[in-house]
Amino acid sequence: QVQLVESGGGVVQPGRSLRLSCAASTFTFSNYPMHWVRQAPGKGLEWVAIISNDGSTKYYADSVKGRFTISRDNSKSSLYLQMSSLRPEDTAVYYCARDIGSNTFDYWGQGTLVTVSS
Amino acid sequence: QSALTQPASVSGSPGQSITISCTGTSSDVGGYNYVSWYQQHPGKAPKLMIYDVSNRPSGVSNRFSGSKSGNTASLTISGLQTEDEADYYCSSYTRSSTRVFGGGTKLTVL
Repeated sequence: QVQLVESGGGVVQPGRSLRLSCAASTFTFSNYPMHWVRQAPGKGLEWVAIISNDGSTKYYADSVKGRFTISRDNSKSSLYLQMSSLRPEDTAVYYCARDIGSNTFDYWGQGTLVTVSS
Repeated sequence: QSALTQPASVSGSPGQSITISCTGTSSDVGGYNYVSWYQQHPGKAPKLMIYDVSNRPSGVSNRFSGSKSGNTASLTISGLQTEDEADYYCSSYTRSSTRVFGGGTKLTVL
């Protein structure tokens, strides 16, 4: 069974940085584009970023462009999200998700909570 | 990158059918057949229910179906069951190669 396990969440002060990780297992990680999607407490899903299977292409939501960086290490079957200049509105559960075609998130992790607060 | 528009809530009785709409623009929903739908129960990760407008993944009940007309996609659930009560989100590929979600619809099974 495909497994995606996020880690790295926690409480961070506004303006600081945080790095999230997503460990993938039981599938060939390097074959799939991967996404980060977030969900603020009590709110809906918000797409954050996508990275191509080889890491050469990345796209971001306007709300995080210039502050967040998505990356991957296929040798470690891992996905990352480097978040900088964090704001209170970045507070959310962050999910990683596998993409099997254009806009199909077939597997999701359990999420990791990021709280930006002083 | 405006969110797709979904009704905040819909409701139905067991056995009935309901439809959730998802309205975008020609730059997202209307421009591509890459609309997907997700079910989310409280405290759980989303689950893929429909992809590429109308395709159902293996294991998803055939009570769930999807369609699209112009800039509006729809998710129909027939033969409502109590376990269908959840939040539902649509998502679309966009012209700028980003993705966008709808605001979500809370389904209540009365």
